Amino acid sequence: EAGVAQSPRYKIIEKRQSVAFWCNPISGHATLYWYQQILGQGPKLLIQFQNNGVVDDSQLPKDRFSAERLKGVDSTLKIQPAKLEDSAVYLCASSSPLNTDTQYFGPGTRLTVL
Amino acid sequence: SQQGEEDPQALSIQEGENATMNCSYKTSINNLQWYRQNSGRGLVHLILIRSNEREKHSGRLRVTLDTSKKSSSLLITASRAADTASYFCAPNFGNEKLTFGTGTRLTIIP
Repeated sequence: EAGVAQSPRYKIIEKRQSVAFWCNPISGHATLYWYQQILGQGPKLLIQFQNNGVVDDSQLPKDRFSAERLKGVDSTLKIQPAKLEDSAVYLCASSSPLNTDTQYFGPGTRLTVL
Repeated sequence: SQQGEEDPQALSIQEGENATMNCSYKTSINNLQWYRQNSGRGLVHLILIRSNEREKHSGRLRVTLDTSKKSSSLLITASRAADTASYFCAPNFGNEKLTFGTGTRLTIIP
């Protein structure tokens, strides 16, 4: 079984630029999560999708962050415009409807904002 | 806030020794999970213990749960260099969300 795929693995941008991250969850996983992990901290949930609907986006800074999962499979997380404090690893995770307790994480995208 | 807090923040032991890390939380849980994160990688699910369980084993891992004290511990026996990683506990409070603390950074010294 293929794992959660994310791209790119690394991204360096200037502040005020835009950036997008892509995630392909494990096949059949209905729930998809985006986390932000700042250096030295644990992952913080940004948004949770169930199929193509948003379940929880309470911690998503909606003035600059957006996410979509149009066909209920792949997802894109966008930051526009980026700030220095957005430097972090962005992790995507998914879970199966047969076992919603366990999340499977991708390798993450390391974003550096200069 | 509803998250687990790991203790200690950092731990260094000699290869072959046992490593114990602890997790505390504040409200009732459905289950508690432990994840491992190697440097530069995503998190890997290690073990899940339900609120009605007191102990669970998986290979060299042993997890205990004391719901009266709202705490859990993860024991790694006969540690190896490959166990060097950050370990996070994630209490589940009855929804599909996981909330992570800052983790325990474990270093195994060869």
